[in-house]
Amino acid sequence: QVQLQESGPGLVKPSQTLSLICTVSGGSISSGSYYWSWIRQHPGKGLEWIGYIYYSGSTYYNPSLKSRVSISVDKSKKQFSLKLSSVTAADTAVYYCARWGLDCSGGVCDGFDIWGQGTMVTVSS
Amino acid sequence: QSALTQPASVSGSPGQSITISCTGTSSDVGSYNLVSWYQQHPGKAPKVMIYEVSKRPSGISSRFSGSKSGNTASLTISGLQAEDEADYYCCSYAGTTPYVFGTGTKVTVL
Repeated sequence: QVQLQESGPGLVKPSQTLSLICTVSGGSISSGSYYWSWIRQHPGKGLEWIGYIYYSGSTYYNPSLKSRVSISVDKSKKQFSLKLSSVTAADTAVYYCARWGLDCSGGVCDGFDIWGQGTMVTVSS
Repeated sequence: QSALTQPASVSGSPGQSITISCTGTSSDVGSYNLVSWYQQHPGKAPKVMIYEVSKRPSGISSRFSGSKSGNTASLTISGLQAEDEADYYCCSYAGTTPYVFGTGTKVTVL
């Protein structure tokens, strides 16, 4: 069973870069059947999609964050990473990594079927 | 791209049915049959309950059903149970964004 696990610093200073890693276990990150996404949730608020990466390395970002976001993949380690630059208190949130299915024959498609447990990141000096 | 609009809260008694609406625009919900619904219990990650408007993942109770009409999608929970008390979010493919979530609905079982 595929599982996702986020890791990274829980505290980041303002103006610095937030860096998180999502590790995929129990399955392959190199399958062409999925987009690997980052999603965040501000405290007590709703969900916001940040961006995704395909196993080939192609990416797509939320236009509202595009200038500050970078997502990369390391297939050998079965990890994908998020970098968010020039952070402010407004970037304080729980950050989730999640999988979006593309192949309906494999189960859930066109939905985020697997999520990490989430990691809280606080931006504060 | 603005968030999809959901009622802040919906409540019902055990055994009753409730419906949560998710209103978007012709650029998202109205254009694509790619609406999904997520259940989130406090302190937990979201869990997919419905995908492609009305399909249920394996293991999800048939008490959960989805539909769409025009720019509005809906999630219906029938035979409401205490364990259904949670926050629910819709999500739609939106082309250029490309994923937009709803504002979220807190379901309370009375």
